[in-house]
Amino acid sequence: DAMVIQNPRYQVTQFGKPVTLSCSQTLNHNVMYWYQQKSSQAPKLLFHYYDKDFNNEADTPDNFQSRRPNTSFCFLDIRSPGLGDAAMYLCATSRGMGGELFFGEGSRLTVL
Amino acid sequence: SQKIEQNSEALNIQEGKTATLTCNYTNYSPAYLQWYRQDPGRGPVFLLLIRENEKEKRKERLKVTFDTTLKQSLFHITASQPADSATYLCALGYSTLTFGKGTMLLVSP
Repeated sequence: DAMVIQNPRYQVTQFGKPVTLSCSQTLNHNVMYWYQQKSSQAPKLLFHYYDKDFNNEADTPDNFQSRRPNTSFCFLDIRSPGLGDAAMYLCATSRGMGGELFFGEGSRLTVL
Repeated sequence: SQKIEQNSEALNIQEGKTATLTCNYTNYSPAYLQWYRQDPGRGPVFLLLIRENEKEKRKERLKVTFDTTLKQSLFHITASQPADSATYLCALGYSTLTFGKGTMLLVSP
């Protein structure tokens, strides 16, 4: 049974056209994360929520925003996607900080 | 700046042998280290966690060591199988996790 579900699995957008990726979890975990992973690169943390507290990584571009309307859902908004934003976007959850992460299958974004 | 290094070249081994993957880090004093498996086009899957005060952890055919003096972790898969072929990521952290690029393991029959 999928515990962290990401939609859509594949998203194609045009340069500059806003995109929203969604993540839902059935684990009731406090913490939700968004990572960006480019081809053959390390997953890079963009931001995370501890409950409703939002934590932005220092080098996350302003073009990336996130919302967590409730415990189960988290969204990644890319306001004006550029070609360099093409990547796999991974959502993960954890029970508190410092434990194992449960990842979704990812959303692969293509920017034309 | 903090750096995590994993072998960028794929590791090719024969079925039944032990695979050993290396994770080195610099400018970092993590409280714990984790290993994940990632298949192509999929999200990473957690394998093992080891804390800074632990030297070794085992789980079935998996073993991880953590040497905070050498700033190195070794990840072993014994009796490897073709189904173990994947990319293995190490990750370090205090609270949030920073990942390495991973090493691809290819186990041939």
